[in-house]
Amino acid sequence: KNEVEQSPQNLTAQEGEFITINCSYSVGISALHWLQQHPGGGIVSLFMLSSGKKKHGRLIATINIQEKHSSLHITASHPRDSAVYICAIQTSYDKVIFGPGTSLSVIP
Amino acid sequence: NAGVTQTPKFRVLKTGQSMTLLCAQDMNHEYMYWYRQDPGMGLRLIHYSVGEGTTAKGEVPDGYNVSRLKKQNFLLGLESAAPSQTSVYFCASSMTGNEQFFGPGTRLTVL
Repeated sequence: KNEVEQSPQNLTAQEGEFITINCSYSVGISALHWLQQHPGGGIVSLFMLSSGKKKHGRLIATINIQEKHSSLHITASHPRDSAVYICAIQTSYDKVIFGPGTSLSVIP
Repeated sequence: NAGVTQTPKFRVLKTGQSMTLLCAQDMNHEYMYWYRQDPGMGLRLIHYSVGEGTTAKGEVPDGYNVSRLKKQNFLLGLESAAPSQTSVYFCASSMTGNEQFFGPGTRLTVL
């Protein structure tokens, strides 16, 4: 069993839809990261969470430490949101475990 | 600031050839990492460094060596390339070991 799992694996949405990507993990963590990988390959850090909720523009990330679960929400989705979204857990300064990613395609 | 840069962007090698990938960061970060990304798999840590002159093995270190002679540079070497090392390689850096800043990636093909 992978230590970090994401669902769904692939997601297609119509522009304007509310999107949720889920991440579940099986070990204790010090932080959880959400990353965005653009179609060209570049990786950008979106959020780092250790508790609660964070918001940046149309993106919202939540984490439930007790349930070992995090969600990434995108409100009013746009085609430029099309990317692979990666959940990663940090167990120490030298150990980050990445999930397999969720490929999102937003259609105009 | 250029952030994190990687050289080269693309490379094709023949089995047995050697090469060095260069990662440079201008953010004065202590921590630097080398990852590989393969289809259907998450990023996997090859080696990392917690400061100038230090290196340590990650999850998949076999077949690779690294050096951090200067704080701003982290080199990844392949002594004898194998087809299994065909991958996209990402370098990242971090100030505190938490949020990481990624380079643009190097696409390596080993024939």
